Amino acid sequence: AQSVTQLGSHVSVSEGALVLLRCNYSSSVPPYLFWYVQYPNQGLQLLLKYTTGATLVKGINGFEAEFKKSETSFHLTKPSAHMSDAAEYFCAVKEGTGGFKTIFGAGTRLFVKA
Amino acid sequence: NAGVTQTPKFRVLKTGQSMTLLCAQDMNHEYMYWYRQDPGMGLRLIHYSVGEGTTAKGEVPDGYNVSRLKKQNFLLGLESAAPSQTSVYFCASSYDEQYFGPGTRLTVT
Repeated sequence: AQSVTQLGSHVSVSEGALVLLRCNYSSSVPPYLFWYVQYPNQGLQLLLKYTTGATLVKGINGFEAEFKKSETSFHLTKPSAHMSDAAEYFCAVKEGTGGFKTIFGAGTRLFVKA
Repeated sequence: NAGVTQTPKFRVLKTGQSMTLLCAQDMNHEYMYWYRQDPGMGLRLIHYSVGEGTTAKGEVPDGYNVSRLKKQNFLLGLESAAPSQTSVYFCASSYDEQYFGPGTRLTVT
């Protein structure tokens, strides 16, 4: 069975500081991994995804994540936080291509202080 | 492309009333989903569909029904609304990643 654990329901950083949001997953088959972002009063939108190939994936707004199979992790980072990054972030895992079942983490709310 | 659209955006119901939420997608996706989002609960899957004419229960299906008569549409029905169904409802469709609609904020009084 698949599962996703996001460490920390709330993360607070100062503007310009490194953003690190942690995600660990479990999957019995090679996973597809995703990060979604949700701004207030909006739906979730895809930030980045890992399917196959290069384990460091870059997404929108300067975010990137690295798939580490040995650690079963897919942490999200951004070198320098901006006020507009304040949102809720969801990590998700899916069993490969063509399948439909996606498991979402509980979410991490990112606060950015001026 | 409009992506995934939902109607209505807001609705207030009295206990016992019924309503239907409409989701439409123009990406020709086979898979569609209905979620509810409540504070501190993350996203919870209500029902899903793997193709036209098929539906299946998710983790919180009680009190809801769905239909997928056309590939592009996925309807969520509440036959007798209860205050516990006050929530924000999201529809999504997918091949690999999921594409979400803007949400419907439902209040049941």
